[in-house]
Amino acid sequence: QKEVEQDPGPLSVPEGAIVSLNCTYSNSAFQYFMWYRQYSRKGPELLMYTYSSGNKEDGRFTAQVDKSSKYISLFIRDSQPSDSATYLCAMMLSSGYSTLTFGKGTMLLVSP
Amino acid sequence: NAGVTQTPKFQVLKTGQSMTLQCAQDMNHNSMYWYRQDPGMGLRLIYYSASEGTTDKGEVPNGYNVSRLNKREFSLRLESAAPSQTSVYFCASSDAEGGYTFGSGTRLTVV
Repeated sequence: QKEVEQDPGPLSVPEGAIVSLNCTYSNSAFQYFMWYRQYSRKGPELLMYTYSSGNKEDGRFTAQVDKSSKYISLFIRDSQPSDSATYLCAMMLSSGYSTLTFGKGTMLLVSP
Repeated sequence: NAGVTQTPKFQVLKTGQSMTLQCAQDMNHNSMYWYRQDPGMGLRLIYYSASEGTTDKGEVPNGYNVSRLNKREFSLRLESAAPSQTSVYFCASSDAEGGYTFGSGTRLTVV
């Protein structure tokens, strides 16, 4: 079993839809959870950062962490064509000197 | 507001040639990283430097070397390039909280 599993997609939705992106993981020691967005031919950019379990909201984006199920989600409300990108989940054991473990990314396509 | 700067952006090498990928960050971050990204494989860590003066192997270090020149700069060297090293290479840096800032990448083709 891979440490972080993420459906590669592509996930195609119409503009305005609610999007749900998910990752599962196997290492219960992960404490920090992140979502990165990567546009085509660009570097990943940090979108959301959460510590331990719970929800975090930033505008149209909500990140959820369920450590008991080893499952994290990113919700995008009122999706826009500009949200079309690959979304990578990432997680870390502890802050400071721990490296990130990335999922392989889910490609999202939002059609006008 | 440069963040992480990588050079070059594109490179074509012949098998056996050597080259160095350069990376510099202006955010005063302690930690720096080199990743490669291949279709279907995701981001894979090659080497990282937790702080100035230290370097450690990541998941796929074979065929690469690194130098942490100072706090700002972290270079990746391919001594004898192979077609299997054709990839997109990303440099990143992070602060104590761990959120990574990535550069825009170097697209390397080895023929």
